[in-house]
Amino acid sequence: DAKTTQPPSMDCAEGRAANLPCNHSTISGNEYVYWYRQIHSQGPQYIIHGLKNNETNEMASLIITEDRKSSTLILPHATLRDTAVYYCIVRSDTSGTYKYIFGTGTRLKVLA
Amino acid sequence: EAQVTQNPRYLITVTGKKLTVTCSQNMNHEYMSWYRQDPGLGLRQIYYSMNVEVTDKGDVPEGYKVSRKEKRNFPLILESPSPNQTSLYFCASRPWEGAYYEQYFGPGTRLTVT
Repeated sequence: DAKTTQPPSMDCAEGRAANLPCNHSTISGNEYVYWYRQIHSQGPQYIIHGLKNNETNEMASLIITEDRKSSTLILPHATLRDTAVYYCIVRSDTSGTYKYIFGTGTRLKVLA
Repeated sequence: EAQVTQNPRYLITVTGKKLTVTCSQNMNHEYMSWYRQDPGLGLRQIYYSMNVEVTDKGDVPEGYKVSRKEKRNFPLILESPSPNQTSLYFCASRPWEGAYYEQYFGPGTRLTVT
């Protein structure tokens, strides 16, 4: 599985869009990009995933660059409850390995 | 309610005393996994299972055992716990096939080994 690089921390003002970047320069063609978040010490929660097209759901939007080497998770109107650690993962079950590599993620703090 | 449950949620034990942390899911998921989380190290995968009787090592399997005799259960066994296994542990499950690869995580088990 390809590894990802994320900034260790970010701040965002409440009500503003939070843009969380992720670099995955060694991603292969069949690997998806997944985002999870973890609030305090709770179990991580799935947010969104995508292959090459941009994706949007009720929680967030995922923008993947055309070369697929990086992506951005967008929380359009961040609230205090979005304060969490956000993990970007790239993987595919067809790559021959079934591991998950979460890394250390980005600690997002939403400021009032 | 679809969920992953872990027991116990909190455990304090002594070095060398065997323990088992249970994990159960009610979603008929094939894939189950254990993670540990330590400050500054993020989430690291210990073991995973693709189905009954099929398990494999994650990135940090040393000192742990698992078994998958039933689809819904995936216990984590520490035969001889040591202080460096003090950590927050999460169990997770997901369907094996399909376009939706979301993992569902349990609430966590905080283990302290003295």
